[in-house]
Amino acid sequence: EADIYQTPRYLVIGTGKKITLECSQTMGHDKMYWYQQDPGMELHLIHYSYGVNSTEKGDLSSESTVSRIRTEHFPLTLESARPSHTSQYLCASSVYRVSGNSPLHFGNGTRLTVT
Amino acid sequence: DAKTTQPPSMDCAEGRAANLPCNHSTISGNEYVYWYRQIHSQGPQYIIHGLKNNETNEMASLIITEDRKSSTLILPHATLRDTAVYYCIVGGVYKLSFGAGTTVTVRA
Repeated sequence: EADIYQTPRYLVIGTGKKITLECSQTMGHDKMYWYQQDPGMELHLIHYSYGVNSTEKGDLSSESTVSRIRTEHFPLTLESARPSHTSQYLCASSVYRVSGNSPLHFGNGTRLTVT
Repeated sequence: DAKTTQPPSMDCAEGRAANLPCNHSTISGNEYVYWYRQIHSQGPQYIIHGLKNNETNEMASLIITEDRKSSTLILPHATLRDTAVYYCIVGGVYKLSFGAGTTVTVRA
């Protein structure tokens, strides 16, 4: 029931390249998130958005940037990739409710390797 | 967001119930308890969530103590495919932060 899509699934790229990781959801969710996860480690929130034209930094400092021009689309960009950016990047979305009763729906992630 | 404490790992026999504990003593009144699991390197999968009352769905049951400071996720009949990292997180309106989770290994 994948209503949130991430592309590419795997990406190997050289140092210094600019890359954009794509995330799209078809559920009309207002809130979207990017998490970063190293192998065997915890998920760390790096960016989130409450809606169009809203972006916020998460708990973990990241050199990446995000944009939210359309509700369904929340791309993440690295202007100059470095080996330290090698990780898995997970996108998620949720409905906005004042009550907070709102589970996250995750994509399957993009596994990025910077050589 | 409130922090949670989970045991780092636990084993369970196939076909038996798996009871996964979680402590969240600093939870505030409007924060929900959510459970997710992650199999290999896939995206986390939502299991269940609740505020005060116990909850049950087709995957699991969630038991929340009356003071809301702890909860237990119950997988009623564990299968080998339930082997995963299980995350208990609490959160409200803004964002959800994940901890280290419990690595559950179901053994035949």
